[in-house]
Order: sequence, then structure tokens, then C-alpha cells
Amino acid sequence: DTGVSQNPRHKITKRGQNVTFRCDPISEHNRLYWYRQTLGQGPEFLTYFQNEAQLEKSRLLSDRFSAERPKGSFSTLEIQRTEQGDSAMYLCASSSGTSGDTEAFFGQGTRLTVV
Amino acid sequence: AQTVTQSQPEMSVQEAETVTLSCTYDTSESNYYLFWYKQPPSRQMILVIRQEAYKQQNATENRFSVNFQKAAKSFSLKISDSQLGDTAMYFCALDGGTSYGKLTFGQGTILTVHP
Repeated sequence: DTGVSQNPRHKITKRGQNVTFRCDPISEHNRLYWYRQTLGQGPEFLTYFQNEAQLEKSRLLSDRFSAERPKGSFSTLEIQRTEQGDSAMYLCASSSGTSGDTEAFFGQGTRLTVV
Repeated sequence: AQTVTQSQPEMSVQEAETVTLSCTYDTSESNYYLFWYKQPPSRQMILVIRQEAYKQQNATENRFSVNFQKAAKSFSLKISDSQLGDTAMYFCALDGGTSYGKLTFGQGTILTVHP
């Protein structure tokens, strides 16, 4: 098991373009989370999947953001019409079992720069 | 709403000495989980230690231990015999128990261990 994998590691895009990030969780982890981390700050929750169902979305997730997890395996996070304020590290994490009693494993993140 | 506050933006310690990182939190949940995560420069976040709120005993993992003061809503991390590899950003995080493993993070503390 290679852990949580995120691609790409870095993405530079022009304002107004669409971007898509991919997260491959640890196999058989039924929970998958997306967080956003700006420089010098702690991660902020964006959205959560239990298997293929998206069960919660943060108010931070504007209409320009969409996430999917088809078949309960990998997940994608798409940002449409990117803005400079979208520049951040996007982290994916996965876990199994009920809250708190299992560890959330994080990927290395995708760093997005909007120019 | 849940909040986590880390009031020490930066800390430093000499190798082999002991350092304590502070964290306070707020939640209305009766059972919850608290975590310390370590994020080394340009590397993924890893779990250092976890504490379940209704366990009285403070958690310990090798050189890492916590001081959990439930009434004061305080959760500090003590690192003993500090090593150069402990240099990282440390985040305190809260899982509110009914939030499906969704984590609320503090702002982080940058710890530098000097030789």
C-alpha cells in the first residue's frame, strides 16, 4: 500500500481556467476528505465522501467547486473559472471506520497557483 | 461550531531538550477526539498522537505525550528529547465525534529544533 496519492503535485493556471485534481485513497478506505490549506494556516475542511456518497460540503465550497468519487474509489476535485483566491494547497485524506478511532491518512497535496 | 486555537505561531528548542506546544479548543460535543499532526516541510501530514475525550489518561507515544485538561479545554503536546527530525509545523485538530471524522485544525505552530 503506497498511501494516499494526489496528482498533480503542482499546478499553475491562468485565472479563469478550469483545473481538476485527483486523489487516490488507501484501498478499502471508505471515507475520503478534501481540505484546503493556505500558506501558514491550518487545513480547512471542504467536503467528505463515504464510499461514493458526498455527505457534507463546507460553505467554503462555492458553486465553482465540484467533487466526485465514482464507485467509491478515487476522487476528483474540479475548480471552474479559477480565481487568484483559489491559490492554495489542496489536501486529500482517507480513513476507515468510525470517527476518531481510526487515523486519517493525508496525501502530499496539490499546490495550485492561479496567475 | 467547533474551534481550535494554537497561540504559539513559532517555537524553538535545542536538540535533546523538552518543548511544549499549546492548544485550546471549543466544542459542544460530549464525546470527541483530539489529535496532534506533524507536517514536515514539503511533506505530507502525519498523525503524532490522539486522545479520546472521555479517557482520563493522557496519551503517550514514545517521546510525545499530551496534557489533556478537559474542563479547561486544553490539549498541549510535550516533546521530550527533541530531535532534528522533529522540525515541522504541528497542528492540533478536533474531531467532534458526530462529524464523520471531519477535522477542525488550529493555525499551527512551527517548531524548529536547533543542534
